Amino acid sequence: QTVVTQEPSVSVSPGGSVTLTCALTSGSVSSSHYPSWYQQTPGQPPRTLIYRTTTRSSGVPDRFSGSIVGNKAALTITGAQAEDESDYYCVLYMDSGSGIPVFGGGTKVTVL
Amino acid sequence: QLQLRESGPGLVKPSETLSLTCTVSGGSIVGSAFRWDWIRQPPGKGLEWIGSIYYSGATSYNPSLKRPVGISVDTSKSQFSLSLISVTAADTAVYFCARRNYYGPVIDFWGQGVLVTVSS
Repeated sequence: QTVVTQEPSVSVSPGGSVTLTCALTSGSVSSSHYPSWYQQTPGQPPRTLIYRTTTRSSGVPDRFSGSIVGNKAALTITGAQAEDESDYYCVLYMDSGSGIPVFGGGTKVTVL
Repeated sequence: QLQLRESGPGLVKPSETLSLTCTVSGGSIVGSAFRWDWIRQPPGKGLEWIGSIYYSGATSYNPSLKRPVGISVDTSKSQFSLSLISVTAADTAVYFCARRNYYGPVIDFWGQGVLVTVSS
């Protein structure tokens, strides 16, 4: 069974940059997995940030960017702000875009 | 603006069936580009995709769940529903319904979520 892994937690200073990654326990992540990223604050549903590896969802600030780095998908926050302190989840599609979405375990981002 | 709203009992007894309905408004549930998802989140834990349905009734389920799950759709009411049979305390979670756009692919609209507690 393929598992999607993320760092459990990371911290970043206000104004700093941080990169979150999304990996597979077996194999490399590529654009064919259509990586997407979601931000969630407590008590709220997730908010869509990035899809199709690099496309920002409507209204998402350009300090959020997506990419493939090595064999992982990545979400970079450049110029972190206090309101970016949230949980972040990646999703990979194992069997083309109509297939099964698999969530990563999530990364808690602390801005301090 | 598309809106999704989950409804159903907030408390279910162990071994009973958890049933939830998602009502879609502000847009059509019929469309070749969309899949309609159920996703859950146990308290303090991460998100888990349960399954999805297409407006035609075609379904996909998470093979990791290893339990009977049913998702159905009623296009005349713009609703889709989840049934989780023989629940245990491990099924306690916030359940979200969501729209997934095939042309992302991206889960682009989410309901607010409903907490379902499994307890006697």
